Amino acid sequence: QVQLVQSGAEVKKPGASVKVSCKASGYPFTSYYLHWVRQAPGQGLEWMGIINPSAGTTNYAQKFQGRVTMTRDTSTSTVYMEVSSLRSEDTAVYYCARPLRPAITPDAFDIWGQGTMVTVSS
Amino acid sequence: EIVLTQSPATLSLSPGERATLSCRASRSLSSYLAWYQQKPGQAPRLLINDASNRATGIPARFSGSGSGTDFTLTISSLEPEDFAVYYCQQRSNWPITFGQGTRLEMK
Repeated sequence: QVQLVQSGAEVKKPGASVKVSCKASGYPFTSYYLHWVRQAPGQGLEWMGIINPSAGTTNYAQKFQGRVTMTRDTSTSTVYMEVSSLRSEDTAVYYCARPLRPAITPDAFDIWGQGTMVTVSS
Repeated sequence: EIVLTQSPATLSLSPGERATLSCRASRSLSSYLAWYQQKPGQAPRLLINDASNRATGIPARFSGSGSGTDFTLTISSLEPEDFAVYYCQQRSNWPITFGQGTRLEMK
């Protein structure tokens, strides 16, 4: 079945970096863009950016430009999202999400990873 | 960026009642609006895309309507498993944005 499986929880100190992975299976990896969305504790959903797994091109929300890097490894059908210069406000669950349709962007998200909790604390 | 405002923030209803949730956009989305349900500790689940199309496997008691700037998610008769937080999301323009959510709680 189609699924996205993310890496496990992380605890980081302020100023450090974190890299979260998202492994896709059950569909052609390069046929769908993948997005990252985060959710701070008790808060709403915040879109971070998109990667085209075929070309490797990216588009980040303005808020995250310069601090977020999304990459992919087509040999393992995995995308990565790295956040640098972490601060306490980055404490959140980070989700990867696949759009509903391969040729439509932006789109709604019908497949989500299970989420990765990143805690930033000294 | 497009701002989505959901109302009410919290809705208290009983099983069997009808729920009406609203999402208002700061500018026209045409029909490019989706609705999600999220339960504690879970990822969001797509309910409705493009304002009124139910996603695969979503029960018929969930329906969406609206266009332009005003959208509604209706749950015709609440089941116990429907009590959750609901988010709207627009795909009309970059960046993708979400509403702040409506918490549907059991009275």
